[in-house]
Amino acid sequence: GAGVSQSPRYKVTKRGQDVALRCDPISGHVSLYWYRQALGQGPEFLTYFNYEAQQDKSGLPNDRFSAERPEGSISTLTIQRTEQRDSAMYRCASSFQQGAWDTQYFGPGTRLTVL
Amino acid sequence: KQEVTQIPAALSVPEGENLVLNCSFTDSAIYNLQWFRQDPGKGLTSLLLIQSSQREQTSGRLNASLDKSSGRSTLYIAASQPGDSATYLCAVRSSSNTGKLIFGQGTTLQVKP
Repeated sequence: GAGVSQSPRYKVTKRGQDVALRCDPISGHVSLYWYRQALGQGPEFLTYFNYEAQQDKSGLPNDRFSAERPEGSISTLTIQRTEQRDSAMYRCASSFQQGAWDTQYFGPGTRLTVL
Repeated sequence: KQEVTQIPAALSVPEGENLVLNCSFTDSAIYNLQWFRQDPGKGLTSLLLIQSSQREQTSGRLNASLDKSSGRSTLYIAASQPGDSATYLCAVRSSSNTGKLIFGQGTTLQVKP
């Protein structure tokens, strides 16, 4: 079946512009996660949802970052007034539930470059 | 605050060699630990998941061990192949109340034919 998909795969924007990154999880997966990965580093947690409820947004760097999952399926990560330091790979993952053995399935990521 | 460290950052070995990748974490109160593989241009793929009550998990040529009290995990790869070349990441989940994973920085493995 289809895995986690993300769009766009690449995004180049100018400093100060807003961007919206989309994540389409595996069908039926309850939990959805957003991570950010700098070059040469491991993914860093941003936020996650169970169904449409945002459970933890402690990893969002500042109030320019927000995420939503209004119908408990597709999620959008929005970055307002982008800055060069926002350039990174943004990864989305989903899991069936939040259970002990529920692994997270990752999408291919969106490479964001802020000029 | 939980911190996860992986050593070495990069490793190059000849085909057929057995090898060990290391992962350490600062807070031993973890719920589980996972090893992932990352290939360029693709997402992360889960390899093995070890619960905090377990000592090891095996899948094919891969064996992951966990010593929670010392804050360490190892990923053993037997008879390495060029197709094993990738970045390997370990990640810990601190409690059952969150799905949040805390990742190490990864070990990039190159297996030469």
